[in-house]
Amino acid sequence: EAQVTQNPRYLITVTGKKLTVTCSQNMNHEYMSWYRQDPGLGLRQIYYSMNVEVTDKGDVPEGYKVSRKEKRNFPLILESPSPNQTSLYFCASGTSHYNEQFFGPGTRLTVL
Amino acid sequence: DQQVKQNSPSLSVQEGRISILNCDYTNSMFDYFLWYKKYPAEGPTFLISISSIKDKNEDGRFTVFLNKSAKHLSLHIVPSQPGDSAVYFCAASGSNDYKLSFGAGTTVTVRA
Repeated sequence: EAQVTQNPRYLITVTGKKLTVTCSQNMNHEYMSWYRQDPGLGLRQIYYSMNVEVTDKGDVPEGYKVSRKEKRNFPLILESPSPNQTSLYFCASGTSHYNEQFFGPGTRLTVL
Repeated sequence: DQQVKQNSPSLSVQEGRISILNCDYTNSMFDYFLWYKKYPAEGPTFLISISSIKDKNEDGRFTVFLNKSAKHLSLHIVPSQPGDSAVYFCAASGSNDYKLSFGAGTTVTVRA
């Protein structure tokens, strides 16, 4: 089954404790990206990747890191999480940025 | 500053009637536009798209209209069904920019 998976689905952590949210797709897509969803703000792109080893900042990259060492995986890293990073996070993949994106189920992150 | 705006946070429509969702954008370099639908506790799913070389695209009950001079697009759902109750996001990108920008979303409620 074609899908995008994210882990964990729910995470409660404390300020400053490094964490990684994994994202994996099985559709051989070149384009992958991360978004955060906040009330009244919709989806905002954090980082995107056009292919392996090629990543760039989206609209809200501060406090986040990503890597794309393999085509299927695109982890989101929070080196020192802060409460303002409490949000719902989505990973997505597609053949390109202007084609249909397939989204993962989301990761609900709470930073205390 | 959001480049894609959905100014109506919510819309309530009777079953069988037309739902019209609106979206405005500010970046004249955008040339691909997509609509996504999101149910609670799930990731967004692709609905329909349009490129700037067209002014209308139709897929079953869903039609998207693009007015480039007004930098405005709309999604028409006819007839509206209870399963259409969801949050709808408008998204836009440019062929020369790998980012993908989303609006804040419109919550549609279809009343029986």
